[in-house]
Amino acid sequence: KNEVEQSPQNLTAQEGEFITINCSYSVGISALHWLQQHPGGGIVSLFMLSSGKKKHGRLIATINIQEKHSSLHITASHPRDSAVYICAAEPSRNTDKLIFGTGTRLQVFP
Amino acid sequence: NAGVTQTPKFRILKIGQSMTLQCTQDMNHNYMYWYRQDPGMGLKLIYYSVGAGITDKGEVPNGYNVSRSTTEDFPLRLELAAPSQTSVYFCASKTPQETQYFGPGTRLLVL
Repeated sequence: KNEVEQSPQNLTAQEGEFITINCSYSVGISALHWLQQHPGGGIVSLFMLSSGKKKHGRLIATINIQEKHSSLHITASHPRDSAVYICAAEPSRNTDKLIFGTGTRLQVFP
Repeated sequence: NAGVTQTPKFRILKIGQSMTLQCTQDMNHNYMYWYRQDPGMGLKLIYYSVGAGITDKGEVPNGYNVSRSTTEDFPLRLELAAPSQTSVYFCASKTPQETQYFGPGTRLLVL
C-alpha cells in the first residue's frame, strides 16, 4: 500500500463547479505539499501546510493531522485549472525527502 | 532569478549510449533533487543532495550517477542508457523547511 494515496485518480467537471481532491497518508509528517502539473509542463508548488487551512485565490487546502487527511478545493473551476494535482508528504522521520501520491488528473470543460 | 534550469529539453539516445542531464539553480539552495516521472506514474526520487559534496540515493538510483561539486549545479549521469530509462526527468531545489522548486524537465527517449 502506498504511503500517500490520492482520490479520485481522474476527475472531470463543468466550468464553475466546486472541486475537491483528497489525499490520505499513513506516515507521520512535518508538512503536506500540493503541487500542480499542467499537460506537458513543469511542476509548481501550490501549498505547503502543516495544520489548518491555506487559501490562494480560488484554491483552498486543508489538513487534518489526527485523521492524516488533506483536501484541495477549487472554487468556481475554470478550464485553465485542468492539470494534474499531486499531493506529497514530507515525513517527519526524514524531512529531506517527499513521498508523492500518483496524482489526480482534472479536466474542466467549458 | 532564472530559478531551476535544465538542459537539454529533449533527447533521443541509443541503447548503451551515455549522457549527462544538466541542472542549475541560482537561488543558493542547499538541497537539490533528481526525479523521474514515467507516463501515468508518480514522481520517483533518483538521487538527492543536501549540500555541495554530499549526495545520497533515492528510490531508483540504479543506472544513474550524480555529483555536486558546487551549490548551483547537480548533473545526472546515465552511463549505459536502457529503454527502461525512457522518462521525463525533473530537477528540483529548496532550502530547509521550504517547498521545492522544480525545473521544466528533460524528456528522454532511449531506443
